[in-house]
Amino acid sequence: QLQLQESGPGLVKPSETLSLTCTVSGDSIIRSSYYWGWIRQPPGKGLEWIASVFYSGNTYYNPSLKSRVTISVDTSNNQFSLRLSSVTAADTAVYYCARRTDTNTFDSWGQGTLVTVSS
Amino acid sequence: NFMLTQPHSVSESPGKTVTISCTRSSGSIASNYVHWYQQRPSSSPSIVIYEDNQRPSGVSDRFSGSIDSSSNSASLTISGLKTEDEADYFCQSYDNTNMIFGGGTKLTVL
Repeated sequence: QLQLQESGPGLVKPSETLSLTCTVSGDSIIRSSYYWGWIRQPPGKGLEWIASVFYSGNTYYNPSLKSRVTISVDTSNNQFSLRLSSVTAADTAVYYCARRTDTNTFDSWGQGTLVTVSS
Repeated sequence: NFMLTQPHSVSESPGKTVTISCTRSSGSIASNYVHWYQQRPSSSPSIVIYEDNQRPSGVSDRFSGSIDSSSNSASLTISGLKTEDEADYFCQSYDNTNMIFGGGTKLTVL
């Protein structure tokens, strides 16, 4: 059974870089028909797609966040990661990692991790 | 890019049927698949309808999806409402490689 688990600091200072890792178990990240991505949800608000990556390293970014975001994949450890630079309080959110199909469905999600930006 | 607009909230009684709309601001709703997610309180979202009207295995057949080109919108219909259906529902589509979510609809079953 596929499982995704987010990990990383729960508190980040303003202007610093948020770094999260998603560990995938129960499936190989190099399966050719799937992409892997990050979605966030500020407290009490809706969902916002951040970025996606293919096992080959091809990356796709939300245009509104592109200048601050890097997504990468580590096939040897079956993980993918997110870096978001120059964070502000507006980046406080629950961050989810998810698997995305080739018809752009997010069919499996991690439990999410709350990241708070505060000094 | 286009936007997906959903009603902020809907409510209905147990046993009844409710429909949640998702209106695309520009471009044809039929151009790209629409997917629907359910998010119960303190839980991750989960897919309930994919590719406009497909239901994943394990999702109740009380859930159905459709698109309407005349109103340029997609709809999620839940019949025979149960209290366990009370949740937030999000539609999602895409524009090339950009994934777009609707703002979400809070369904109250009372």
